[in-house]
Amino acid sequence: AQSVTQPDIHITVSEGASLELRCNYSYGATPYLFWYVQSPGQGLQLLLKYFSGDTLVQGIKGFEAEFKRSQSSFNLRKPSVHWSDAAEYFCAVGDSGGSNYKLTFGKGTLLTVNP
Amino acid sequence: KAGVTQTPRYLIKTRGQQVTLSCSPISGHRSVSWYQQTPGQGLQFLFEYFSETQRNKGNFPGRFSGRQFSNSRSEMNVSTLELGDSALYLCASTPIRGGDTEAFFGQGTRLTVV
Repeated sequence: AQSVTQPDIHITVSEGASLELRCNYSYGATPYLFWYVQSPGQGLQLLLKYFSGDTLVQGIKGFEAEFKRSQSSFNLRKPSVHWSDAAEYFCAVGDSGGSNYKLTFGKGTLLTVNP
Repeated sequence: KAGVTQTPRYLIKTRGQQVTLSCSPISGHRSVSWYQQTPGQGLQFLFEYFSETQRNKGNFPGRFSGRQFSNSRSEMNVSTLELGDSALYLCASTPIRGGDTEAFFGQGTRLTVV
């Protein structure tokens, strides 16, 4: 069965600093990978997704992620963090067979942004 | 285009009761999945419905059930509620099963069992 590990439970950065959130997955074939963001009490909003092709994917709000097969990683990056980026971030992998309807999520990384 | 709509947003129930949550997917989306989110276990897949049939089920007891109607709207039911069922229940819809499309999530229903 696939699994997702987000090693950092909580990260604090200063506004304007760069950000990298780590995600490692375990999956037997080419995965479908996603990053979602969740504000308190809200649902999940998709930031970006990787299905195939270019390993560097661009998302909304200035985020990007790089798929590295050799490292089984899909880390999320942003060059300059804004206070509104404070939220919880979830990495997810699609079910075996590459589906979008049965996702396995990491435990999430809570991002705090200091002014 | 309206997003995924979940009702109600908040619920308080007593242990032993049952509850029904509703999810209306994005128009045209035919697959609906349900997830439970708790601080301890994180986000866990409950089940998925497509064409009014349950196609996948996660590792949850039989007290958790669901159904899908011909208009793709879905309901999930939890019977004999336990304190541990307190969670945010999220519904997601996708236009097709699999393929290069993502799941779109609703705002969730916050269930509190007292």
